[in-house]
Amino acid sequence: TQLLEQSPQFLSIQEGENLTVYCNSSSVFSSLQWYRQEPGEGPVLLVTVVTGGEVKKLKRLTFQFGDARKDSSLHITAAQTGDTGLYLCAGASGTYKYIFGTGTRLKVLA
Amino acid sequence: DAGVIQSPRHEVTEMGQEVTLRCKPISGHDYLFWYRQTMMRGLELLIYFNNNVPIDDSGMPEDRFSAKMPNASFSTLKIQPSEPRDSAVYFCASSQQGGYTEAFFGQGTRLTVV
Repeated sequence: TQLLEQSPQFLSIQEGENLTVYCNSSSVFSSLQWYRQEPGEGPVLLVTVVTGGEVKKLKRLTFQFGDARKDSSLHITAAQTGDTGLYLCAGASGTYKYIFGTGTRLKVLA
Repeated sequence: DAGVIQSPRHEVTEMGQEVTLRCKPISGHDYLFWYRQTMMRGLELLIYFNNNVPIDDSGMPEDRFSAKMPNASFSTLKIQPSEPRDSAVYFCASSQQGGYTEAFFGQGTRLTVV
């Protein structure tokens, strides 16, 4: 069974601070996605990474896929209250289904 | 497009009753996924379809759960009989190719079994 562990589980920070969320597995993934979910809504895709070592930037968000394609990180610079939400990583390994991680619940305080 | 549409948004039912959750995927999407989300277990994939055919149902918890996709624009997830431990938010998602493409999620159905 493929498992994706995310850390930390919970994170509460002040607006303007930087943070990093981690997604780790013992399995190799052919691609990995990051989603953000807000209360009462379904997850919304932020990014897809497919190449080991790949780095993608989306404004203040930086995503990295590990060289061995077993782990990933999400770094947020100068967090804003609008970044509050549940961050989920999801990995696929050759089949057409994504397994979701355990999630990191982020709260950014004004 | 209105996105993935799920109904009902909330369902409260008594233990032992049959529950049917409905999903209308985005038109043109070939893949449809059913997920269940709880605080304890996170977001779990239950089953997914490709072109209306069930491909992988290994995540379906037990025989009380069944899913159908009679056509490209409609799918159901049925629980019979329902139990309190089935209480969760159930999400439907669709995607154009599966794999590396984006899955679009509905707003979910919050199921409470009392």
